[in-house]
Amino acid sequence: EAGVTQFPSHSVIEKGQTVTLRCDPISGHDNLYWYRRVMGKEIKFLLHFVKESKQDESGMPNNRFLAERTGGTYSTLKVQPAELEDSGVYFCASSQLPDTQYFGPGTRLTVL
Amino acid sequence: SQQGEEDPQALSIQEGENATMNCSYKTSINNLQWYRQNSGRGLVHLILIRSNEREKHSGRLRVTLDTSKKSSSLLITASRAADTASYFCATVPYNFNKFYFGSGTKLNVKP
Repeated sequence: EAGVTQFPSHSVIEKGQTVTLRCDPISGHDNLYWYRRVMGKEIKFLLHFVKESKQDESGMPNNRFLAERTGGTYSTLKVQPAELEDSGVYFCASSQLPDTQYFGPGTRLTVL
Repeated sequence: SQQGEEDPQALSIQEGENATMNCSYKTSINNLQWYRQNSGRGLVHLILIRSNEREKHSGRLRVTLDTSKKSSSLLITASRAADTASYFCATVPYNFNKFYFGSGTKLNVKP
């Protein structure tokens, strides 16, 4: 069974540009989560999808971030326009059972 | 904040020694989980301990949970160089809606 995959593994962009991160959850997992770790700090929750619906987006930092999960399969997280403080590692996780989340390898975003 | 906080922030030991990391949190939890992140890689689930459990073992890992003190510890016995990684605790509330992580403990095991 394939795990959670994320693309790209690393993205380097300039301030003001747009970046789209993609997450493919484990097949059949209704729950999909986005987290990020900024500058070696704690890993913070961004949002939670149940199928294609946003269950909780309380962790989204501002309206420059847009997450979608069309058809309840893969999800994208777009940052537009990117700022320096957006640099960090963005993790995606999926789950079917509520207390077990499977994490992807993360996308390292560097904003110059 | 509900986030777990790991302590120490960094730990350097010799291969063969034991490593102990601690996690403190502030609110009631359903369970607490420990994850490992090797450099440049994703989070790997290590162990889950439920709020009604006090101790759990998995191979060289031993986790304790004290809900009265809102703290947990992760013990890695007979450490190996391959254990070098960052270790995170994640607290899970009763509504399971999200995990709360800390900043992690960076463990360096010297060969």
